[in-house]
Amino acid sequence: EIVLTQSPGTLSLSPGERATLSCRVSQSITSDYLHWYQQKSGQAPRLLIFGASTRATGIPDRFSGSGSGTDFTLTISRLEPEDFAMYYCQQYGVFGQGTKVERK
Amino acid sequence: QVQLQESGPGLVKPSETLSLTCTVSGGSISSYYWTWIRQSPGKGLEWIGYVYYTGRSFYNSSLKSRVTISVDTSKNQFSLKLTSLTAADTAVYYCARAYMHYHYMDVWGQGTTVTVSS
Repeated sequence: EIVLTQSPGTLSLSPGERATLSCRVSQSITSDYLHWYQQKSGQAPRLLIFGASTRATGIPDRFSGSGSGTDFTLTISRLEPEDFAMYYCQQYGVFGQGTKVERK
Repeated sequence: QVQLQESGPGLVKPSETLSLTCTVSGGSISSYYWTWIRQSPGKGLEWIGYVYYTGRSFYNSSLKSRVTISVDTSKNQFSLKLTSLTAADTAVYYCARAYMHYHYMDVWGQGTTVTVSS
């Protein structure tokens, strides 16, 4: 069974800084099947990126995804106050454990 | 604009069966994989399974013996049944629409909190 490992567990940053989140997959996958979600406290997750690098509808271009094989990255170029949240990667029926982006 | 809304009991007793329904509005339930996901308090997301409008379903292997997901196309609804509940099943349950083949979930319900307690 595929395992998705996200790192770091917590990222402490200030608004305006760049956030780099990692999702490592236990075996090589096609990038079409790797997706990223944002979840704010008390809310349902929201699709950010699908197919490793395609932004979902309405997602600002400060969010970008990249990667292939076993290593994938979500980058937030300049953190806005509303970006402090949990982020999950997903492949089929498996989610990573999440990365919390918190305000420093 | 497709919207999803979960409904069902907020409190269920241990050993009983949980039944939740997700109503799809603003679009047809044909196509897509209609999916259930849950999130235990303070924990991450756990994929439960999905159903296709034909009735074909697929489940998380860790829950497979206790889960049934079904679809009612006449009502534009799909449902989750989870049997033999324990406190470990206490969670927020979300329904979502997933794209076929790629399985990314682009539309989510707001979630419904289910507590398993006597």
